[in-house]
Amino acid sequence: IAGITQAPTSQILAAGRRMTLRCTQDMRHNAMYWYRQDLGLGLRLIHYSNTAGTTGKGEVPDGYSVSRANTDDFPLTLASAVPSQTSVYFCASSDSSRGKNIQYFGAGTRLSVL
Amino acid sequence: GESVGLHLPTLSVQEGDNSIINCAYSNSASDYFIWYKQESGKGPQFIIDIRSNMDKRQGQRVTVLLNKTVKHLSLQIAATQPGDSAVYFCAENAHTGNQFYFGTGTSLTVIP
Repeated sequence: IAGITQAPTSQILAAGRRMTLRCTQDMRHNAMYWYRQDLGLGLRLIHYSNTAGTTGKGEVPDGYSVSRANTDDFPLTLASAVPSQTSVYFCASSDSSRGKNIQYFGAGTRLSVL
Repeated sequence: GESVGLHLPTLSVQEGDNSIINCAYSNSASDYFIWYKQESGKGPQFIIDIRSNMDKRQGQRVTVLLNKTVKHLSLQIAATQPGDSAVYFCAENAHTGNQFYFGTGTSLTVIP
């Protein structure tokens, strides 16, 4: 079982360019999440999706968009990247239907915007 | 201990000693808490969880204690091993929605 797969593992991007970070899960979890991780700030929620077809804004959504066309995929798009979006991005999923909400994380995408 | 939005605390322990990692949470409505371990270059990994109707839960070599009165959570690791070296995060989940709020993390270094 692969769990959560993120791609690419790392990327250097010129400011102003558009970029989509990919996330796929094979656990049939209903909920998926995108976080960014910056030193000293921990993990901050960007966007989430409780079920296919729905999305919601997290703590730091500005400059990012997501879609959830099916259960397995939850891409994160930076429409016009800025240097402040340099970070490590983690995708996660959870089965929130059983009363617990343990999130399983991917290995992350390290993004540098120059 | 860690709290939301501040510097990354560090903890160094000798191999074989017990470790205690602390976390202060902010939302009195939070009813579910999780501890995660993050090794260098990897995503966070679930360790143990606890609901607000409990004050203690034990796993393999780990114990989580919850004090709702002072909004404090701790993770105890027994007989700490070099493989326990990582950053540890607590996360709180308010009853509304699936969103979790993570602390800034505590870096644990185990000295052989």
